Amino acid sequence: AQSVTQPDIHITVSEGASLELRCNYSYGATPYLFWYVQSPGQGLQLLLKYFSGDTLVQGIKGFEAEFKRSQSSFNLRKPSVHWSDAAEYFCAVVSGGYNKLIFGAGTRLAVHP
Amino acid sequence: DAGVTQSPTHLIKTRGQHVTLRCSPISGHKSVSWYQQVLGQGPQFIFQYYEKEERGRGNFPDRFSARQFPNYSSELNVNALLLGDSALYLCASSLLSSGGTDTQYFGPGTRLTVL
Repeated sequence: AQSVTQPDIHITVSEGASLELRCNYSYGATPYLFWYVQSPGQGLQLLLKYFSGDTLVQGIKGFEAEFKRSQSSFNLRKPSVHWSDAAEYFCAVVSGGYNKLIFGAGTRLAVHP
Repeated sequence: DAGVTQSPTHLIKTRGQHVTLRCSPISGHKSVSWYQQVLGQGPQFIFQYYEKEERGRGNFPDRFSARQFPNYSSELNVNALLLGDSALYLCASSLLSSGGTDTQYFGPGTRLTVL
């Protein structure tokens, strides 16, 4: 069965520092991968997606992610974190023939001033 | 353009009651999916509807049901509420045609509390 693992439950970084959030997936075929962000009490906002092609994808708010098939990973990065980036981040993979998303448990990001 | 909208924003019910949650997709989107997000966890897939037909169902009991209307809006119904049904219920819409893969855009969610 398909699954997504986000190994880091909670990450704290200083404002201006670089960020990498890890995501590993289990999927037999070519995966369709997403990163979403959720602010407290809010819905999910799409940051970026990978369907095919260039393995380095750019998203909104200065985020990027790199698909590495050999490592079954789709890690999210940002070169310089802003205090407003504090939120929960979810990695997801499409499963099945009807666009069902399987989510990881999420990584909560805290940003110190 | 308006995004996905959901109503109500918050809801408090007692055990055994019934609840109906509503979702309006982005204009032009024909597919609606529902997810349950329990506090501290990632969202779990409940249903997907496309062109008023159920296309997928997650591992949820029959107390959960849904439907999609001709205008592509959708309702999620939960009967005989349990304490464990307390969660944020998220609706997502996409352009998707059945069998394909498309980006899902999420609404703000309905926070359901069961006492």
